Amino acid sequence: ILNVEQSPQSLHVQEGDSTNFTCSFPSSNFYALHWYRWETAKSPEALFVMTLNGDEKKKGRISATLNTKEGYSYLYIKGSQPEDSATYLCARNTGNQFYFGTGTSLTVIP
Amino acid sequence: NAGVTQTPKFQVLKTGQSMTLQCAQDMNHEYMSWYRQDPGMGLRLIHYSVGAGITDQGEVPNGYNVSRSTTEDFPLRLLSAAPSQTSVYFCASSPVTGTGDYGYTFGSGTRLTVV
Repeated sequence: ILNVEQSPQSLHVQEGDSTNFTCSFPSSNFYALHWYRWETAKSPEALFVMTLNGDEKKKGRISATLNTKEGYSYLYIKGSQPEDSATYLCARNTGNQFYFGTGTSLTVIP
Repeated sequence: NAGVTQTPKFQVLKTGQSMTLQCAQDMNHEYMSWYRQDPGMGLRLIHYSVGAGITDQGEVPNGYNVSRSTTEDFPLRLLSAAPSQTSVYFCASSPVTGTGDYGYTFGSGTRLTVV
């Protein structure tokens, strides 16, 4: 099974709240896990690439963790701002092919 | 740098027509790929290329052809358009292949409608 699953499908939070999303994937044949941020009317932009079990990456208020043994990754946003509103995609790489989840749509309410 | 350039941005085709979606990158990336994005579904890989002269099929290759004669260009051809090919198409590139250590750079997308 190559499916990448993301939850929740959508999320509304108040400005200033912290939040997190989950990406689940098959743990076999794992090369890398990517997170992308996709704003409406734009193209997806790479946030993080993680390859090792236990990896933690951080960019400003956004961070991500990776557990390859159990097949999940978390994306955290601390102190959400309206400009964080976007769809967050994760993708599993199995070598030369990437399999994307359907994304978590985040809306931050001012 | 322009990054990944896709043309056209919008296209309407009649069933049975053929067309080519263009994708060009100026970052000397080895890896290029085409995805389609449909409501309720994740981005699905159509075809990909790990270098000039090398292409391979992704998840949903039927009805599409690709070629990679240069490092820069990776056109996607619809042979005989069908309404099921109505979608938003994204081209993406990456510096290297295999381990996926690098993220994709995406083009701005082509919205295709087949009537």
